[in-house]
Amino acid sequence: QVQLQESGPGLVNPSGTLSLTCAVSGGSVSSRNSWTWVRQPPGKGLEWIGEIYPSGTTNYNPSLKSRVTISVDKSKNQLSLNLRSVTAADTAVYYCARPSAGARFDHWGQGILVTVSS
Amino acid sequence: QSVLTQPPSASGTPGQRVTISCSGSSSNIGRYTLNWYQQFPGTAPKLLIYSNNQRPSGVPDRFSGSKSGTSASLAISGLQSEDEADYFCAAWDDILNGPVFGGGTKLTVL
Repeated sequence: QVQLQESGPGLVNPSGTLSLTCAVSGGSVSSRNSWTWVRQPPGKGLEWIGEIYPSGTTNYNPSLKSRVTISVDKSKNQLSLNLRSVTAADTAVYYCARPSAGARFDHWGQGILVTVSS
Repeated sequence: QSVLTQPPSASGTPGQRVTISCSGSSSNIGRYTLNWYQQFPGTAPKLLIYSNNQRPSGVPDRFSGSKSGTSASLAISGLQSEDEADYFCAAWDDILNGPVFGGGTKLTVL
């Protein structure tokens, strides 16, 4: 059973960079599945951030594409999210997830709340 | 606002049947299968229904899904107090080239 766990700073300064990692256990980050980041502002709905395929190819939400980078570290079996030039609007719970196909996400991390504030 | 449209709230009494709607367009629900997620406060979403009407192992058969055209519905029969949660629909979208979600429906068991 694949398990995902996000980690990183819970507080980021405005204009700074949000950096999170997602440790994968019970499976390999190099498997045939893609890996995804999703976020949820407090009290609001879910927003897809982007995904990375086993080949290393990435696919980002156009609304965030200029600021986001998703990568994989095979040696540590984890994936990473970097979001640059953050504002208060980026305050959210950030989840890593593994889709089986399309919008079917079978596995989720527990999520991590990141607050953008000085 | 969200690409997929859901009512913000729904309610029912124990034992009742409740339905939650999800409306989209030809670029998402009209073309791809629909998935439903259940989320309790402070926890991650959990896959409830996939491929329009399939239940993952462990999901009670009180939960069912359907899709027609660019709309879908989640039905919960024999409503129980532990069903009180937020429910989100999701589908792949050709315009975004990624998954889109509904804004979520907060289900209250009266």
